[in-house]
Amino acid sequence: DSGVTQTPKHLITATGQRVTLRCSPRSGDLSVYWYQQSLDQGLQFLIQYYNGEERAKGNILERFSAQQFPDLHSELNLSSLELGDSALYFCASSAGTGGYLAYYEQYFGPGTRLTVT
Amino acid sequence: AQSVTQLGSHVSVSEGALVLLRCNYSSSVPPYLFWYVQYPNQGLQLLLKYTSAATLVKGINGFEAEFKKSETSFHLTKPSAHMSDAAEYFCAVSRITGGGNKLTFGTGTQLKVEL
Repeated sequence: DSGVTQTPKHLITATGQRVTLRCSPRSGDLSVYWYQQSLDQGLQFLIQYYNGEERAKGNILERFSAQQFPDLHSELNLSSLELGDSALYFCASSAGTGGYLAYYEQYFGPGTRLTVT
Repeated sequence: AQSVTQLGSHVSVSEGALVLLRCNYSSSVPPYLFWYVQYPNQGLQLLLKYTSAATLVKGINGFEAEFKKSETSFHLTKPSAHMSDAAEYFCAVSRITGGGNKLTFGTGTQLKVEL
């Protein structure tokens, strides 16, 4: 158990809909990361938040957005869903601070499997 | 840009045999490198990480990896494979980007362990 929790575990929804994925980081970790895992794209970085602020952005679609709340949990919002958005979405957290973000390992949650029909 | 390449999308070994999973990195500066394992229907679990303190890094479950700058490699090994090692293994490099950082993953190597 990494200490990172994600809900829900599975999500099935229709095209055009909007969903929210939730993540709680390990106790004390200020950084939260979101990744997408799909068969054709592999593991792709989406976005990072550090103590409530967006810090890094990957190839995240404009239909996707995220935020980190004062209690440090994070939500990933996916809207106008398409069939191609079906994937595993992972949240990770890290204890890194300041200029040492890259040094620290990231701990991954169990993921949310999104199926768009 | 920093990236990693994993050679061999599928590797098959016999139980008790040596496990060797290959990872090469491209980086203009000393990288922070990681190996993660993913069991079916689970998240990624950290096996080990390289942060320049030592070139030979020992991880969990008997795995280790050696950082070789001359070969730009960070191969993962285990002396004796066990059935429970069957999983997908990912090499990753941590990269500073903007005001934050991200992991860039290789394409993964599926390890099969046969009796």
